[in-house]
Amino acid sequence: QKEVEQNSGPLSVPEGAIASLNCTYSDRGSQSFFWYRQYSGKSPELIMFIYSNGDKEDGRFTAQLNKASQYVSLLIRDSQPSDSATYLCAVIGQGGSEKLVFGKGTKLTVNP
Amino acid sequence: DADVTQTPRNRITKTGKRIMLECSQTKGHDRMYWYRQDPGLGLRLIYYSFDVKDINKGEISDGYSVSRQAQAKFSLSLESAIPNQTALYFCATSDWGQNTDTQYFGPGTRLTVL
Repeated sequence: QKEVEQNSGPLSVPEGAIASLNCTYSDRGSQSFFWYRQYSGKSPELIMFIYSNGDKEDGRFTAQLNKASQYVSLLIRDSQPSDSATYLCAVIGQGGSEKLVFGKGTKLTVNP
Repeated sequence: DADVTQTPRNRITKTGKRIMLECSQTKGHDRMYWYRQDPGLGLRLIYYSFDVKDINKGEISDGYSVSRQAQAKFSLSLESAIPNQTALYFCATSDWGQNTDTQYFGPGTRLTVL
């Protein structure tokens, strides 16, 4: 059973701080890694994905991947109250028959 | 217009009733999915379809059935609704490419079974 683990939180940070969200996965053959943001009662929306070891930056968001440690993280710089949401980590293995496996999400609150 | 639409957006029904949730997409994707989301349990996959002739069970398919009427349409049915099927239901689509599979979600259907 492939598993994706996230700290459920809530994670609380002050406005302007860096929020760090973490995710570990069990399948060493996992190929691609996704971060979704979900506001309460709304659908998940893709923030970014990463498939190579190292960092990938997109605006205030940075995804970090370490396949050897089976660990992926999302950093949000200059956190804003509008970043308050649940963040879902998702992982997919190699091959066209694979399906995304989602973590249960980490709830982030950014305090003004 | 939204790329992935779901109807209805909200539905209240009674135990034992048959319910159909519909999903349509204009993204041209071959792959479609149905998830349910419950507080504290995350997203759980009900059924998925990699093309029109392909239907697969997910982790929680009992009590549900699906129909893939066309590339753009994927319907979820609850043959005899029960209260523990009260949840937020999401349809998603994806297109396998570049060895990855980014999923795009519809707005969701909030279903309440009394």
